[in-house]
Amino acid sequence: DIVMTQSPDSLAVSLGERATINCKSSQSVLYSSNNKNDLAWYQQKPGQPPKLLIYWASTRESGVPDRFSGSGSGTDFTLTITSLQAEDVAVYYCHQYNSAPFTFGPGTKVDIK
Amino acid sequence: QVQFVQSGAEVKKPAASVKVSCKASGYTFTSYAVHWVRQAPGQRPEWMGWINAGNGNTKYSQKLQGRVTITRDTSASIAYVELRSLTPEDTAVYYCARGKGAGGYDPFDCWGQGTLVTVSS
Repeated sequence: DIVMTQSPDSLAVSLGERATINCKSSQSVLYSSNNKNDLAWYQQKPGQPPKLLIYWASTRESGVPDRFSGSGSGTDFTLTITSLQAEDVAVYYCHQYNSAPFTFGPGTKVDIK
Repeated sequence: QVQFVQSGAEVKKPAASVKVSCKASGYTFTSYAVHWVRQAPGQRPEWMGWINAGNGNTKYSQKLQGRVTITRDTSASIAYVELRSLTPEDTAVYYCARGKGAGGYDPFDCWGQGTLVTVSS
């Protein structure tokens, strides 16, 4: 199984500042047939299901604000929230869909400082 | 718009079975995969398996193999997950989620509201 890890476990950022979350997979999630990384990011607020933000490591889902961006390749990935807004308080999960069983990271909780 | 509506909360005793439903609307049901994901309190999501809603092919997590079955009713656009031999460790919110493509190896772009399954004696 591909093991996903994230850092930090939690972070507090001032409104309007940048938040950066890291994700690492235990093996590459690069799909050689299309040269895309099978890595997604989700946002989950209390009592709600996860919401897809980013897929293929850097493609923003339709309707997601452009302050959310993803980068990375192979085994190391980053989610960046530029100019944090109050509504961004949530837990963020990375997720690999390259190899079953599909697995998620442990989550990073983002709060306002 | 794409939407999933799941069945209501369940309370089960250990060793019992539970079957959760997920009704899809707003898209062609048979053109996409449906995944089941569960999330225990305070834990990360855990993928359980998926079904190709078109041809009915399934793939399950090895961890749950033998205890889980995913089916679908194409006439009603409903997917089901059944989990048998329940233990308290199966207490979680169970979600259905649509794969962004038909093949299963895609991110999950739309999720149901979740169904809380509680296993307790």
